[in-house]
Amino acid sequence: DVKVTQSSRYLVKRTGEKVFLECVQDMDHENMFWYRQDPGLGLRLIYFSYDVKMKEKGDIPEGYSVSREKKERFSLILESASTNQTSMYLCASSAPLHRDRGNQPQHFGDGTRLSIL
Amino acid sequence: KQEVTQIPAALSVPEGENLVLNCSFTDSAIYNLQWFRQDPGKGLTSLLLIQSSQREQTSGRLNASLDKSSGRSTLYIAASQPGDSATYLCAVRNLDTGGFKTIFGAGTRLFVKA
Repeated sequence: DVKVTQSSRYLVKRTGEKVFLECVQDMDHENMFWYRQDPGLGLRLIYFSYDVKMKEKGDIPEGYSVSREKKERFSLILESASTNQTSMYLCASSAPLHRDRGNQPQHFGDGTRLSIL
Repeated sequence: KQEVTQIPAALSVPEGENLVLNCSFTDSAIYNLQWFRQDPGKGLTSLLLIQSSQREQTSGRLNASLDKSSGRSTLYIAASQPGDSATYLCAVRNLDTGGFKTIFGAGTRLFVKA
């Protein structure tokens, strides 16, 4: 079974702090994703990575950055945390999709509920 | 722009009932459609994945169908149990983004009464 592990289930930080959210997967997946989930807004893609040191912006990258130094680890960084970044953060991974076969599911971690005070 | 809609937003049924959750999407150029379950305060658990070339997938009491031409998918849950209570999300991966972008529905919150 694929295991996606997020380092913290709950995290409380202060405005202006630099915050690191860590995600590790054990299936040698090339693709990794960071989402945030908010009531009424659903899941929104922040950043994704399709290989080591490669990253692409998702739909809401402002205020965030990411790091992928090793294949199994994808870190989300809040450069200067603000109260509007209080949210549930979800990490996911998947193997690459093949053009003729869409048979690679996304696997999610348990989420990190982040509160910025 | 792909949009994914789930109906109903919430559903309450007595234990033992068979039920259907609906998902519709506006752009049929998809790699796959995936159904997830989410318990309160938790991450997403993958239930079923249907490739764009497939019509349905089954796992235990769950059956998911896909009609790509009409932009619809259904998740059928047989003989519902209180443990099935959760939010169910459908998600599509788009061909035009190389499959990197997944569009999620808002979910159907299911409550199964004992």
